[in-house]
Amino acid sequence: SQTIHQWPATLVQPVGSPLSLECTVEGTSNPNLYWYRQAAGRGLQLLFYSVGIGQISSEVPQNLSASRPQDRQFILSSKKLLLSDSGFYLCACNGQGTTSLHFGNGTRLTVT
Amino acid sequence: AQTVTQSQPEMSVQEAETVTLSCTYDTSENNYYLFWYKQPPSRQMILVIRQEAYKQQNATENRFSVNFQKAAKSFSLKISDSQLGDTAMYFCAFTPMNRDDKIIFGKGTRLHILP
Repeated sequence: SQTIHQWPATLVQPVGSPLSLECTVEGTSNPNLYWYRQAAGRGLQLLFYSVGIGQISSEVPQNLSASRPQDRQFILSSKKLLLSDSGFYLCACNGQGTTSLHFGNGTRLTVT
Repeated sequence: AQTVTQSQPEMSVQEAETVTLSCTYDTSENNYYLFWYKQPPSRQMILVIRQEAYKQQNATENRFSVNFQKAAKSFSLKISDSQLGDTAMYFCAFTPMNRDDKIIFGKGTRLHILP
């Protein structure tokens, strides 16, 4: 079965600092990968999704970028964080032969 | 554009009661999947139930069942004999049958089960 590793679990960063959140997947190959952001008590906002290595679709123009250097690795980055980047970030995947999403445990990011 | 709408931002019910969460969607696709996800206070996203649009029979998972009305584009979730552990945010989601199409979520319904 698919397993998603997402780290760190919690992160506090100052405004203007860089960001790198990593997500890796086990138990499947050629997964579709997603980054979502969730504000406190709110819904899921799709940030990026990828159907293959180097293929990234951006859903919302913003301060963030994503990369997929390997089949089962998805990285969310920022060169300079803004206060509005605070939130709960979730990585998700659906692998070969599956339709539903599996989620990581999330990263709580606080920008101060 | 495909959309998913959950019209109930928040609901509260007594323990052991039955509760129904509403979801409507808009699509021109004929074949697709629908899901209900649960997000408890731990914020872990958990798949509750899945429905294939080509199946007329409503999906059931223990105390959770759906009422899928394809013509009306409605996909409600019924929780029977509700338990305190059912307290969570519930998200309805849609995806076309092509795996490379993104999954679209509604804004969620926050459900409180009261003792």
